[in-house]
This record gives sequence, structure tokens and C-alpha cells, in this order.
Amino acid sequence: TQLLEQSPQFLSIQEGENLTVYCNSSSVFSSLQWYRQEPGEGPVLLVTVVTGGEVKKLKRLTFQFGDARKDSSLHITAAQPGDTGLYLCAVLYNFNKFYFGSGTKLNVKP
Amino acid sequence: DVKVTQSSRYLVKRTGEKVFLECVQDMDHENMFWYRQDPGLGLRLIYFSYDVKMKEKGDIPEGYSVSREKKERFSLILESASTNQTSMYLCASTRTVAYGYTFGSGTRLTVV
Repeated sequence: TQLLEQSPQFLSIQEGENLTVYCNSSSVFSSLQWYRQEPGEGPVLLVTVVTGGEVKKLKRLTFQFGDARKDSSLHITAAQPGDTGLYLCAVLYNFNKFYFGSGTKLNVKP
Repeated sequence: DVKVTQSSRYLVKRTGEKVFLECVQDMDHENMFWYRQDPGLGLRLIYFSYDVKMKEKGDIPEGYSVSREKKERFSLILESASTNQTSMYLCASTRTVAYGYTFGSGTRLTVV
């Protein structure tokens, strides 16, 4: 059983559409991070959320941490081709390392 | 701009070879990590280090070892490469784990 479940695994949409991807677990976490990875590159940190119910915005991206700190969502408004990539969530465990989900692969078509 | 540099973007090695993957960071970070990334499996932690000459096993250390002789450099060693070690290898560093990682661009290793 995976610690984190990300859904959907794949998403292909047209430019201008909105989308939401999810990161779920049955465990409670002290913090959760979202990364974006472009093809052939390493992941890049987008945001860290630490408080239950917390909402953070990064331009057209809105991140929410669940009230119970077990899940998170990432909403993209008016997606653009530059948003294409693999979106990974990660949670802190054992105080000193992060566990990563397997990601949502997003393709935004022009 | 802070940087984590992995010495090779692509490597092809033969089964049984000893393989060295090098990672250097210029941010004076204490913590460094090696992950491998495989489709559908996400990133899996191989080894990490929180100080020079210190190392800790991650979730999948079998078949790997590491070396951290200097703070800025963390090397991953495949003692005897096997085809099931074909993967994307990612190095990361951080000053404080809670702040998140800075990753290198990755090394795509193929073992034939």
C-alpha cells in the first residue's frame, strides 16, 4: 500500500481549461509539499503547506491542505502549455526525509 | 542561483560494472539525498546524509553505497550494476528538511 495516492495519474486538457489534482493519504502529516517536474529535469519545489485548511496561491495555481492534514489538492486556473509536467506531492516522515507520491502527468495542449 | 549539479545527464554501463554517480551542491547544505525515479513508482529514497562522513539507508539501499567525504559532494555507487538498476537517479540537498529539496537535473542510467 502506497503512503500517498495521487489522482489522476494522467490528465490531458486544452489550453484555457481548469483542472484539479489530488494527493491523498490515510495518515496525518506535519507538512506537505508540491513539486513540478518538467521532462528531463529534476523536480522543482512549488509550495509547502503545514496548517490544516491552509490555502496558498502561486499565480494561477491554488494549493489546499486538508483540514485533517491527510490530503491536499492543486487547482490550476486557465491552464497553459507551460504548465505541462509531472506534479508530485511529498510528505515529511520520520522527521528527516520526504516520501513522494507517483505523480500526476499533465499535458496542456495549445 | 542555488545549484545541485549531477555530473552526467546520461550514462550507459554494462552489467557488473562499478558505477559512480556524482552530485555537487554549492549551497553549503548539510543534508543530501539520492532518489531513483521509475514510472508508476514515484521517487524512492536510496540513501541520505546529514553530515560529512555520515550516511543513512533509505527505503531501497540494496545494491548501492554512498560516500560523503566533503560537505558539498555526495556520491552514489553501484557496486555491480544490474539491469534492474536502469533508472533516473536524482540527487537533492537541503539545509533544513522541512524547507524542501533542491534537486539536480538527474542522471538517466541504462545498464545493458
